[in-house]
Amino acid sequence: AQTVTQSQPEMSVQEAETVTLSCTYDTSESDYYLFWYKQPPSRQMILVIRQEAYKQQNATENRFSVNFQKAAKSFSLKISDSQLGDAAMYFCALRDDKIIFGKGTRLHILP
Amino acid sequence: KAGVTQTPRYLIKTRGQQVTLSCSPISGHRSVSWYQQTPGQGLQFLFEYFSETQRNKGNFPGRFSGRQFSNSRSEMNVSTLELGDSALYLCASRDGYLAFFGQGTRLTVV
Repeated sequence: AQTVTQSQPEMSVQEAETVTLSCTYDTSESDYYLFWYKQPPSRQMILVIRQEAYKQQNATENRFSVNFQKAAKSFSLKISDSQLGDAAMYFCALRDDKIIFGKGTRLHILP
Repeated sequence: KAGVTQTPRYLIKTRGQQVTLSCSPISGHRSVSWYQQTPGQGLQFLFEYFSETQRNKGNFPGRFSGRQFSNSRSEMNVSTLELGDSALYLCASRDGYLAFFGQGTRLTVV
């Protein structure tokens, strides 16, 4: 069965600093997709970044980047120059026929 | 394009009642998925519909059902509500492998 594990329930980072959120996953599929979603207090799940498993290059979206280690089944999210608006729950997710979510990491931004 | 629209945003129901939640996907998206989010269990997949056919189903009891209409709008029904059904229910519409979520319906069962 596919699983997604986020080992950090909560993290804090100073505004303007860099933070890395960890995620490991397990799947027997060779073709799959990985995502990081952000859920602010408004509850809407917002897609932050995506990675196709067949692509070796790590995805980047502005201040957000990932470190995708396929052999290790690791998919961490790095947020650079953290901003107050980045405070939210962050979910790592794996998709093959459906989306499997991790339990989430609550990120606090300290002014 | 308008995003995924879920109605209602909030619901309070009594144990034993039934409830219907609605989801309108992004225009042109034919796939709709439903997820239940609770503090204890996190986000769990309920089911997915594509072109009015259920394509995939999660591990939920038969009290949870859904359907999709020809305009891709989807409804989810929960019968004989239990206290444990209190949750945020999220709907997502899919374009290829990308899923876009609505703001959810907060269901409280009392």
